[in-house]
Amino acid sequence: AQSVTQLDSQVPVFEEAPVELRCNYSSSVSVYLFWYVQYPNQGLQLLLKYLSGSTLVESINGFEAEFNKSQTSFHLRKPSVHISDTAEYFCAVSETGAGSYQLTFGKGTKLSVIP
Amino acid sequence: DARVTQTPRHKVTEMGQEVTMRCQPILGHNTVFWYRQTMMQGLELLAYFRNRAPLDDSGMPKDRFSAEMPDATLATLKIQPSEPRDSAVYFCASSDRDQETQYFGPGTRLLVL
Repeated sequence: AQSVTQLDSQVPVFEEAPVELRCNYSSSVSVYLFWYVQYPNQGLQLLLKYLSGSTLVESINGFEAEFNKSQTSFHLRKPSVHISDTAEYFCAVSETGAGSYQLTFGKGTKLSVIP
Repeated sequence: DARVTQTPRHKVTEMGQEVTMRCQPILGHNTVFWYRQTMMQGLELLAYFRNRAPLDDSGMPKDRFSAEMPDATLATLKIQPSEPRDSAVYFCASSDRDQETQYFGPGTRLLVL
């Protein structure tokens, strides 16, 4: 069984400042890793994912995350945040090769960008 | 623009009433997931189907919850009888069998009084 820990439930940050949202996971097998974003009163949208290959993955809106197997982490970063990045961010994991792609989610981190 | 749709978007009901939530997965997707989101528990997987067959519903309270897929374009989640502790946002997600990415619907926000 897997588990996901998002260390910060809320992260306030000023506009144009950098941000890092932390995610650690626990699993006895290889995993796929995901970050989803949820804007107020909306469903979750995939932000980026790590399946294999390069450990650094990027999204189209400037976020990036790096898979660190030794530290079992998949932290999300953005060098300069915008007001529109205010949302809740969920880290998730699924087992590779399981065929079911069941996701286990962290509790989420609410990012608040302050003007 | 293919997307998962869910109805109703909001539901207020009284304790003891039956609640039915519907989900239309993205056309061609053969795997459907039901999640529940609460402040206390976060996102929990309730059940999922592949090719309309239930594969895992271990996250679902069996005594009052039931999930079905009458056809490939419709998934339903029923609660009978509903209780105040069922108040939550219920999300449906779908994926293609060979794809790892799940696409989420907008959710049904349920309030049981």
